[in-house]
Amino acid sequence: SAVISQKPSRDICQRGTSLTIQCQVDSQVTMMFWYRQQPGQSLTLIATANQGSEATYESGFVIDKFPISRPNLTFSTLTVSNMSPEDSSIYLCSVVRALNTEAFFGQGTRLTVV
Amino acid sequence: GESVGLHLPTLSVQEGDNSIINCAYSNSASDYFIWYKQESGKGPQFIIDIRSNMDKRQGQRVTVLLNKTVKHLSLQIAATQPGDSAVYFCAEYQAGTALIFGKGTTLSVSS
Repeated sequence: SAVISQKPSRDICQRGTSLTIQCQVDSQVTMMFWYRQQPGQSLTLIATANQGSEATYESGFVIDKFPISRPNLTFSTLTVSNMSPEDSSIYLCSVVRALNTEAFFGQGTRLTVV
Repeated sequence: GESVGLHLPTLSVQEGDNSIINCAYSNSASDYFIWYKQESGKGPQFIIDIRSNMDKRQGQRVTVLLNKTVKHLSLQIAATQPGDSAVYFCAEYQAGTALIFGKGTTLSVSS
């Protein structure tokens, strides 16, 4: 298993501002991902966080809006930039030790933009 | 027990009944599938997985069935308990990279 710590657990932010979410894993993992879960919806993959290089974004998500860092094998950040109320969601960090194996999830960051 | 042939967003059962939650996946090339349980305010938790070379896998009180012909997964929960109340998601691996999640089913168990 993997223990994932996500911070903050929740926040209320003003529109136009940015929030950086941190994801810390208790041990080295192969892959880290960021998902968004809008209210009452399923999880949507935002991007794969690549260590030491630019993240790989899914269709509909861009680096300017969701910059991601992954400086090492245990830590990643997701920034939600220039927020609007439509960005109100739960943002989840996920890790995988090896391809095609179980993915573990953090508790999520519940973001409300007002 | 209660069952759904097609995906439904909600399923209500009585404690002790068997529950069946269905899921259709999209990519015939997907070769690994996972069921997750998500309780309110928490991240998804692993329940059971299955690889494409199998059609059935059993765990403790849970069974996953895979029908590759029609790209269909089901999760069976035996003797459903109030603690099983949650949202259940199926997820598939596409191209060996990240999990892609299906629509969730909210299971409500009444005593």
